[in-house]
Amino acid sequence: GAVVSQHPSWVICKSGTSVKIECRSLDFQATTMFWYRQFPKQSLMLMATSNEGSKATYEQGVEKDKFLINHASLTLSTLTVTSAHPEDSSFYICSASGTSLNTGELFFGEGSRLTVL
Amino acid sequence: AQSVTQLDSQVPVFEEAPVELRCNYSSSVSVYLFWYVQYPNQGLQLLLKYLSGSTLVKGINGFEAEFNKSQTSFHLRKPSVHISDTAEYFCAVSVSKAAGNKLTFGGGTRVLVKP
Repeated sequence: GAVVSQHPSWVICKSGTSVKIECRSLDFQATTMFWYRQFPKQSLMLMATSNEGSKATYEQGVEKDKFLINHASLTLSTLTVTSAHPEDSSFYICSASGTSLNTGELFFGEGSRLTVL
Repeated sequence: AQSVTQLDSQVPVFEEAPVELRCNYSSSVSVYLFWYVQYPNQGLQLLLKYLSGSTLVKGINGFEAEFNKSQTSFHLRKPSVHISDTAEYFCAVSVSKAAGNKLTFGGGTRVLVKP
């Protein structure tokens, strides 16, 4: 099946710094990538949808200046948490789909756990 | 808009016993249905999906699910669970097979398999 890789798996940072999380599709071209946030023992909350070469579409209530998403190529999308604060600590998961994979299924990365001190 | 309800937030079950995880959805259009599993600190892995055809779908790890259009349900079952099935399970729905279509997730069901 299609493989999506996220990096880093774990990151700890100081309050006020910025953190970048990468999401790569390893064996297919991801025309669309989704970024989710997951709080402990809860479901996935969609943050934004990014299409290659265009601006991301953010869900209601998600600060686009806080969570910068870039989808510059068909295999890479990045999420940058700017000026991170402890309340930004969470598990962030990306998923991807591509026109060559016309099954409706999304392929998920392994997730990135962010801890802001 | 679509919505997904997973009726049980937690399901404790003994090893080798059967388990059923309930999922109901609402949608004004035809849907495609998925079950994903999430192990601790990991992403989601697809267990099975219903796109069309037979309403009984078999997936990985011995799981199966049945699509019931009249009851708008897609319950997941396994006849005999293992300790390794301890995980979070998510039911999801989409309205298109096209790339870029969003999935709407249920709240998740935590399965705890006891020895």
